[in-house]
Amino acid sequence: DTEVTQTPKHLVMGMTNKKSLKCEQHMGHRAMYWYKQKAKKPPELMFVYSYEKLSINESVPSRFSPECPNSSLLNLHLHALQPEDSALYLCASSQVAVLRGGNEQFFGPGTRLTVL
Amino acid sequence: KQEVTQIPAALSVPEGENLVLNCSFTDSAIYNLQWFRQDPGKGLTSLLLIQSSQREQTSGRLNASLDKSSGRSTLYIAASQPGDSATYLCAVSPNTGFQKLVFGTGTRLLVSP
Repeated sequence: DTEVTQTPKHLVMGMTNKKSLKCEQHMGHRAMYWYKQKAKKPPELMFVYSYEKLSINESVPSRFSPECPNSSLLNLHLHALQPEDSALYLCASSQVAVLRGGNEQFFGPGTRLTVL
Repeated sequence: KQEVTQIPAALSVPEGENLVLNCSFTDSAIYNLQWFRQDPGKGLTSLLLIQSSQREQTSGRLNASLDKSSGRSTLYIAASQPGDSATYLCAVSPNTGFQKLVFGTGTRLLVSP
């Protein structure tokens, strides 16, 4: 199974709402990632979890709160977002160990988020 | 700061043509380089991963080469098909933070029947 799944596919929320994005993989990967992609732009890294611990936070505003409850699941909790946060949110996973010769990242289909 | 550029930004070809997509990066201290395709509004599909010690990788009609010292990679697509229409992204993984992918600006490919 080389699939990364994300739910929901689409999400519309108001600026006062609280919502969560979910990501799941069953490839035994121990690194998981959140990316944000605006229209016609490349993805931008937000967070990286390695062995269920946050290892990289790319100075993301606190209204985005990641969580990795176990090695297969990754959540992104959203609160008090702004309209400019509307984007495609992508989850990815990979092996961690460099010596294994690959940190090839596998991406999910994304969640299209619209903030009104 | 690593910067990744892809040329051309857009490409339109008739079906059956062989084509080359280019990717250049400013810092040669990379761990690997990965090529992806992205269909409109969809996630990224990994096509090929080239480790810094490798010169090329092949998968079906795709061949990717890497010249790390000159900061260049090319993706060669043989006998293009309409199903190849997508945006192609290259991304490098720097030695200083191998989990951080730095993406290029992308090439939008349209293959006409």
